[in-house]
This record gives sequence, structure tokens and C-alpha cells, in this order.
Amino acid sequence: GQQLNQSPQSMFIQEGEDVSMNCTSSSIFNTWLWYKQDPGEGPVLLIALYKAGELTSNGRLTAQFGITRKDSFLNISASIPSDVGIYFCAGQGGKLIFGQGTELSVKP
Amino acid sequence: SQTIHQWPATLVQPVGSPLSLECTVEGTSNPNLYWYRQAAGRGLQLLFYSVGIGQISSEVPQNLSASRPQDRQFILSSKKLLLSDSGFYLCAWTRDSSYEQYFGPGTRLTVT
Repeated sequence: GQQLNQSPQSMFIQEGEDVSMNCTSSSIFNTWLWYKQDPGEGPVLLIALYKAGELTSNGRLTAQFGITRKDSFLNISASIPSDVGIYFCAGQGGKLIFGQGTELSVKP
Repeated sequence: SQTIHQWPATLVQPVGSPLSLECTVEGTSNPNLYWYRQAAGRGLQLLFYSVGIGQISSEVPQNLSASRPQDRQFILSSKKLLLSDSGFYLCAWTRDSSYEQYFGPGTRLTVT
């Protein structure tokens, strides 16, 4: 079946640094979604991507729908302590499939 | 605007006891509804989804069942809980024909 490989699994960065994470698959997807989950809460939708090559921003967050339709990237610029959490990608090629998450820790 | 509620927020139940978790959505009609379980390993496991009243699709055969008695109500149940049922249970909804899932606040279930 379809699977998503999300990397890195965890990141420890200094406040102010930029962050990059990505999801890849051997399957083609029609939609990519990026979520953030704070501890003890449900995931919150950050960005939705619908076209290959699409680049979309939401504040300091920027996500891209890979041109091959098999990957997607999320960048966070100038990280702050409240960026801490788990970031999930999700791809839709039939059903919606979630990556395993990237846990982000930010040192003030 | 739309909101999604889950209750209870936390639950501690003994092995062998029944379970009922409730999810309701406000501000929309005929949503698609989903139940996920998230174990400590972080991945989201889809358990059930529903496209309408009384219509339930099961993704993983296990000790749980789901029901949708009303358009905006989704219930997750078990007759006898197992230790392995512990986890964080999330309900989500989408508009019909959309893949953007919106999650509720979750229920933390601990089976002792």
C-alpha cells in the first residue's frame, strides 16, 4: 500500500534557526497537507497544497508540493519556542495517509 | 464557523470494562467523520470513517466499533477494553469531497 516517509524524525534547534522537513513516497499524490500537533492536543491544519510545484506560505511557514508529486517540504523560518511540537505531513492519492511525524524542539 | 468536540477529555478504565467516546461537529452538515488512534509512537492509525448516518467503514479489525446515530455525531465503543486499547483517540471531519481533515481535541484513554 501507499506509505509516507517523513524525515527527520526529530530535530533540536536553537531559537532563530530555520527548519526544514520533508515527506517522500513511491506513490503519486494529488494533495499534500501539513499539520502541527501540540502536546496533548489534536493536530491543526497548517497548509494545504493541491498542485505539483505549488509553493504556499502561512506566516513563517512555507510548504511546497514536489514537482514529481511524490514529495513535499515544509520550512519554518526564524523558529520561536512556540514552534515546538510534532509536524505531520499527509498525502492524498485515494485515501489520506499520514507520515510518522517530525518532533521539533527549540532551545531558547 | 465549524467546531468539533470530543468527550471525555481523559478516561481511565479497567481492563474488561466497556467504552464509549463521543465526537460531535457543529456548524456543518453531512460531514465525513473519522476516528484515529495515536499511540506513544506518534503515528495516526485510522480506525473508522463514516460518510453518512449509519454508514461505517472499518480500517483495522480490532476490539472497537463505531456508530453514527446522527449526522454530526460519531461514537467509538468497545464492549471489553484491552490494555492495548490505551492511547490518544482523535476524531476528525471533512467536508464532503474535501481531503482537508480537521481534528478534535482528543481523548486520552488509559486502560489499567
